Amino acid sequence: DAKTTQPPSMDCAEGRAANLPCNHSTISGNEYVYWYRQIHSQGPQYIIHGLKNNETNEMASLIITEDRKSSTLILPHATLRDTAVYYCIGNAGGYQKVTFGTGTKLQVIP
Amino acid sequence: KAGVTQTPRYLIKTRGQQVTLSCSPISGHRSVSWYQQTPGQGLQFLFEYFSETQRNKGNFPGRFSGRQFSNSRSEMNVSTLELGDSALYLCASSWRELDTGELFFGEGSRLTVL
Repeated sequence: DAKTTQPPSMDCAEGRAANLPCNHSTISGNEYVYWYRQIHSQGPQYIIHGLKNNETNEMASLIITEDRKSSTLILPHATLRDTAVYYCIGNAGGYQKVTFGTGTKLQVIP
Repeated sequence: KAGVTQTPRYLIKTRGQQVTLSCSPISGHRSVSWYQQTPGQGLQFLFEYFSETQRNKGNFPGRFSGRQFSNSRSEMNVSTLELGDSALYLCASSWRELDTGELFFGEGSRLTVL
């Protein structure tokens, strides 16, 4: 299971893009990069995942470096409701243990 | 379709007691994993069950145990409760046998040990 490193906190102005970095230098070739967020002690919510290529969905974009050692989650137009703790993890599915770190606390400022 | 359901949502126990928490996964999911979340510790993996078998276990003492039933519902038990066991316990279900492995979380059971 990949160990991930994220900055403990970030601020972003409302309406601006929030770029959340994640280092996962030990990720293995078959592990997807997943992003989740947790809003004030609720259960974490899936955001997006990818393997090699950049991905986009209605919530966010995911940029994965070519060497797969790091990735960036992009919330294109942050709102106050995006204030949450964001986690990136490596997950190969199958039967491997999934390890969450302490995540990045994103504060969206009006 | 119904999401992951955890019961009870809140409970208060005293030191030395034991507690059982329940998790009903999304229909069709055969994997259930459990996490403990305390302030400043993030989400710590407890264990994972797939088809009634424990597949993985985190670094927690033997006081923490779990099981999974044939209908994929899972329970976790904590015996001889300590103050430090106060936490939000989260369960997640998934189609683990697939490559993607997306996790679907419940809202958690918040345990307070007095």
